[in-house]
Amino acid sequence: NAGVMQNPRHLVRRRGQEARLRCSPMKGHSHVYWYRQLPEEGLKFMVYLQKENIIDESGMPKERFSAEFPKEGPSILRIQQVVRGDSAAYFCASSGRNMNTEAFFGQGTRLTVV
Amino acid sequence: GIQVEQSPPDLILQEGANSTLRCNFSDSVNNLQWFHQNPWGQLINLFYIPSGTKQNGRLSATTVATERYSLLYISSSQTTDSGVYFCAVRANTNAGKSTFGDGTTLTVKP
Repeated sequence: NAGVMQNPRHLVRRRGQEARLRCSPMKGHSHVYWYRQLPEEGLKFMVYLQKENIIDESGMPKERFSAEFPKEGPSILRIQQVVRGDSAAYFCASSGRNMNTEAFFGQGTRLTVV
Repeated sequence: GIQVEQSPPDLILQEGANSTLRCNFSDSVNNLQWFHQNPWGQLINLFYIPSGTKQNGRLSATTVATERYSLLYISSSQTTDSGVYFCAVRANTNAGKSTFGDGTTLTVKP
């Protein structure tokens, strides 16, 4: 049973470009969460999605950031017009049908904005 | 929102020593997990423990939900135990999302 898969593992973007981060949850999991970890800090919640629905986006910056979890395919975290402050590790997690069960994390995508 | 405090923030041990890491939280929770983030940044699930006690090899954890804390015990530490240990909780009022503590950075010296 494959774990949570994130790609790419590393992403370099110039200021002003777009970044797309992908997350495939564990098989059978229908809840997806995105977290951001700035250097030397803990993980901060960004958004919680189920298939085709955003359940909680209280941690998402109001501008330039969006997330989706379509009926088919991986969840996507999209950052438009990236700035240096977006440089961070972005982690995706998934959990099963009951959202209060154990969550498993992917290996993260390390975004560097130059 | 719920507050999560981990202590100590940093811990340096000699190989073979034991340690206790603490996680305090400010509200009732229905989900608590401990993670180890290794030096390569990977998050590894250690325990899913909203209440009670669990053991896995040299590691064990106890959560006393009524008193709003959890403890992670590491016995006979090894250099490979080095890294950051995070506690993450889900409040009863925050469906789905987890709140992480700032972590305890453990360094085990040979």
